[in-house]
This record gives sequence, structure tokens and C-alpha cells, in this order.
Amino acid sequence: RKEVEQDPGPFNVPEGATVAFNCTYSNSASQSFFWYRQDCRKEPKLLMSVYSSGNEDGRFTAQLNRASQYISLLIRDSKLSDSATYLCVVNSKGNEKLTFGTGTRLTIIP
Amino acid sequence: GAVVSQHPSRVICKSGTSVKIECRSLDFQATTMFWYRQFPKQSLMLMATSNEGSKATYEQGVEKDKFLINHASLTLSTLTVTSAHPEDSSFYICSARAGTGRLHEQFFGPGTRLTVL
Repeated sequence: RKEVEQDPGPFNVPEGATVAFNCTYSNSASQSFFWYRQDCRKEPKLLMSVYSSGNEDGRFTAQLNRASQYISLLIRDSKLSDSATYLCVVNSKGNEKLTFGTGTRLTIIP
Repeated sequence: GAVVSQHPSRVICKSGTSVKIECRSLDFQATTMFWYRQFPKQSLMLMATSNEGSKATYEQGVEKDKFLINHASLTLSTLTVTSAHPEDSSFYICSARAGTGRLHEQFFGPGTRLTVL
């Protein structure tokens, strides 16, 4: 079983719609969680950290469910510029390594 | 945020040659640098972790004699792919962590796309 699993998609969503994707992780010792965004042929860029209580940054909302070991990302009022691959990333306590999921590809359709 | 550069951004080489990729932290001192590899439609896979002045720690399945890593200064790490073969064609990305930063905070370089003919 992969350490971090995501639905690869693709998700094709009309502009203005709301889209959500989940990610599951297998290591119960995981401590820190992140969503990264990766554009085609570019490096990943940190979108937001995910906190236990859930957090919001503009149109983006991240949630963490430790009991079920999954995190989610919700994008509201989607824009064309949101088209990218979204990577779920997990880090274990006391460990500097980041474990990446394969990513979920999102395309916003005009 | 902190800036990390990589050079070259793209390289095409013949099978059997060696290729060196540089990773530089431009505005901070990177005590630790990481090298990742990403094949098409796959996740970033950590290849090795390097700390300045010491030998790199390689992940399981990564040949240390094939992927030579040198972290000679606090702002520069190099990855040399020795005797490259077509199966080494991939997107190589480095990241750097500042000594004073949070353990998980890494700043990524723009990546190097390697194509081995």
C-alpha cells in the first residue's frame, strides 16, 4: 500500500464550480500535512498547510481527519488558473522527509 | 519565500555520458538539500538527502555510485548522473532546507529535465 494515496483524476470542472479531493495516508505517525500545487513541467509549490482544526485560505479549505487518516482540499468558485496537479504531502514527526502522493489532476473548463 | 535555482533546466545527452546538475540556495544557507526524481504521471520520489560537509543518505533502491551527490557548501549541492541510460530520463528536482527553518519546510528548485538518447 502506498504511503500517500490520491485519486489521479482527471477532474474536469466548469469554471465557477466547487471541487473537492481527498487523500489518504497510511502512517499513523504522520504529523504534518500539506497540499502542494504543481503546474505542468514545473516544480511543486506549497499551496497550504493542513491543520487539525481545518483551515481556510481564500477559496481553498483544507481538512484533516486523523481518525480516518485522510485530508481533503476544497476549492470554491474555481478559476481557470486553478488548473494544475494537486499533491498531497505528508511528513512524520521528527523527520524532515516529505512523502508525496501522485497528485490529482484538475482542469477548469471555461 | 526563499529562492532555489537549478542548472541546467534541461539537458539532452547520449547514453553513457555523465550529467551534472547543480542546485543552489540563493538567499539562505541550506544545511540540508534533497534530491527528488519524478517520472511522468508519478509522484516525486526522494532519492537522497545531503547535509553540508557529509555524505549523502540515499533512499532504498537508489544507487549511490550511479547518482553522485556532493554538498560542498551551504549554498550548493550537485547531483551527477553517471553513465546515463535512457531509463534515467526524468525530471530531477532539488529542494533545500534552512538550518533555522521548520523541519519540514523545503524550498524547491525549478527542476532539471533530463533526456538520455
